[in-house]
Amino acid sequence: DADVTQTPRNRITKTGKRIMLECSQTKGHDRMYWYRQDPGLGLRLIYYSFDVKDINKGEISDGYSVSRQAQAKFSLSLESAIPNQTALYFCATSDSSSSYEQYFGPGTRLTVT
Amino acid sequence: AQSVAQPEDQVNVAEGNPLTVKCTYSVSGNPYLFWYVQYPNRGLQFLLKYITGDNLVKGSYGFEAEFNKSQTSFHLKKPSALVSDSALYFCAVIWGTYKYIFGTGTRLKVLA
Repeated sequence: DADVTQTPRNRITKTGKRIMLECSQTKGHDRMYWYRQDPGLGLRLIYYSFDVKDINKGEISDGYSVSRQAQAKFSLSLESAIPNQTALYFCATSDSSSSYEQYFGPGTRLTVT
Repeated sequence: AQSVAQPEDQVNVAEGNPLTVKCTYSVSGNPYLFWYVQYPNRGLQFLLKYITGDNLVKGSYGFEAEFNKSQTSFHLKKPSALVSDSALYFCAVIWGTYKYIFGTGTRLKVLA
C-alpha cells in the first residue's frame, strides 16, 4: 500500500550494530504497529502506538525499541542486532474511529550476519 | 489463551474449482475476524472482515468467508479459483479492544 512506506526495503547488517527501520504513513491514521514475519510463525507484534504519547510493548519487544516522532512516523530500532532478528519487518496502521482493519507497508527485509 | 489456527500450510486447487482456506479461533468474548492476503514482496492486504451481523461476509476479489460461532471457524472461500489468487493468506482476530492475533498463514497454489 503506497500510503504506508518503509525504509529501507532491504538491509544487511552485522551483529552488534544499531539499526533503525522507518515507517511513514499518509493515511491520517492514529494507530501504528510494528510486526515481524518469520516463516511458519506468521506475524508477531513487536510494538504498537495508539497516538504519539501512547506506546506499548507487543508480544516480542525484547531487543527492540520504538519512537513515534509524529502521528505519521513510527520508527523501530534494534539497539544491538543479533542474527535471530533476521526477518521481514512490517509497519501497519489503523484508524481507531473506523473498523479495525490494518494497512501494511511493503516490508523491510533485514539480515543480521 | 487467545489463538488463531490455520491448520493447512498449503492448499492446492485447480483453476476454476472452488477453494477453501480454513481458520479456527479461540478467544473470549465476541471476536472480530479478518482475512488478509500477501503477494510476493508485498505487505498484507485486507480482504474481508466479520464484526457482527450476517455470518457470510463478502470481500475483495470475489472472496467470501463464513463465521460459524459454534465451530469457532471463519473459513475463506471462493467459488472459482484463479491462478492469480495464488498467494499467502492470513486469518486474524482482534481480542480485547485492539490486539491482533495472526495465524501462521496458508499458502494457496492455484494450478492452471
